[in-house]
Amino acid sequence: QVQLQESGPGLVKPSQTLSLTCTVSGGSISSGGYYWTWIRQHPGKGLEWIGYIYYSGSADYNPSLKSRVTLSVDTSKNQFSLKLTSVTAADTAVYYCAREPAPWGQGTLVTVSS
Amino acid sequence: EIVLTQSPGTLSLSPGERATLSCRASQSVRFNFLAWYQQTPGQAPRLLIYGASSRATGIPDRFSGSGSGTDFTLTISRLEPEDFAVYYCQQYGSSPRTFGQGTKVESK
Repeated sequence: QVQLQESGPGLVKPSQTLSLTCTVSGGSISSGGYYWTWIRQHPGKGLEWIGYIYYSGSADYNPSLKSRVTLSVDTSKNQFSLKLTSVTAADTAVYYCAREPAPWGQGTLVTVSS
Repeated sequence: EIVLTQSPGTLSLSPGERATLSCRASQSVRFNFLAWYQQTPGQAPRLLIYGASSRATGIPDRFSGSGSGTDFTLTISRLEPEDFAVYYCQQYGSSPRTFGQGTKVESK
């Protein structure tokens, strides 16, 4: 079955760029039919949708983050990625990747701190 | 943007009781693309229901989803100890996707 795994730095300095990659196994991103998604969860809070990308590269973003977010996909590596620029402490969260609506990765905590 | 409002915020019940969770949308959810997730501490959300009423693979039949348009319900027919958790609804019929704020089901 399809599994997803997030990877990337767990600590990012303020004003820098947060970069995460999601590796998909057990299925191909390029087979189509699914939106590949990033969601985050601030500590002790609810879920926030960041955006999705299709295998073709077309993407859509949460308007509240749109100016700082870029999603990309690498079908040759069966991966998709998130870049969030100009981070602040408010971007500290657990970041999940998912194939909409499931499955989800286990999540990775990213802390923004100097 | 579709705003999803979940109620109640917290539900205090005993094992064996029935739980009824509500998710109300500010506008109609396209194609009834409404999902329910369960989250326990330290874990990723687990999909329970998709398309408003279809149970995800491996989900016990005590979980059921119903509703259409703007009003959706998740019912847990008889609570098991492992069902005490936070439940979220999400609409994925239009962008931006949105989540409800969650309902916590706690043991009385």
